[in-house]
Amino acid sequence: QSALTQPRSVSGSPGQSVTISCTGTSSDVGGYNYVSWYQKHPGKAPKLMIYNVSKRPSGVPDRFSGSKSGNTASLTISGLQAEDEADYYCCSYAGSYTWVFGGGTELTVL
Amino acid sequence: QVQLQESGPGLVKPSETLSLTCTVSGDSISTYYWSWIRQPPGKGLEWIGYIYYSGNTNCNPSLKSRVTMSVDTSKKQFSLKLTSVTAADTAVYYCARAGPGGGTINWFDPWGQGTLVTVSS
Repeated sequence: QSALTQPRSVSGSPGQSVTISCTGTSSDVGGYNYVSWYQKHPGKAPKLMIYNVSKRPSGVPDRFSGSKSGNTASLTISGLQAEDEADYYCCSYAGSYTWVFGGGTELTVL
Repeated sequence: QVQLQESGPGLVKPSETLSLTCTVSGDSISTYYWSWIRQPPGKGLEWIGYIYYSGNTNCNPSLKSRVTMSVDTSKKQFSLKLTSVTAADTAVYYCARAGPGGGTINWFDPWGQGTLVTVSS
């Protein structure tokens, strides 16, 4: 069970859109529609932003969207705002009642 | 709303056992699964395992031989024990609700604030 692969960092200017990728295998991301995304600000607990690939929990702005193609899931943040600057982690069901996270992506709002 | 709070020693000696407890408030512990997740300094998140109120558990294959989880429904608490710790087990340990319930886990939310456990002599 290897960690999912995410870019170390991405950046964008306020108002722009950014996409964070999360690459796994057919045994995790590609095999199930149970990908979730978490936002983590320094010193704070992670917050669920997307689940089941593309569903948003109540209270999460619709600027956040998720998708999946093959073994790669993506989180897109449109209309970037300063408060979006954080670390983002993907997570996928990996079969046999186990879950695997990505290494995390640092989003910088320029 | 539901809140989770981790508690336990912040310093554990190498080869000893790490013990943490998570206290749940604002929700029934019998509805959801409950999970442990950790983050070593400067690294990503790692799923440790889950427990159901019935005592059903499963954990990360890489940690399976060292992990024990338990639940006390009367106290609304669940616990983690990790044996034979090394410096590699130094991390912020989080507990989280694993939902949506009904026998499935699609997400982890909310999470506790996390507790830093350092393994050092």
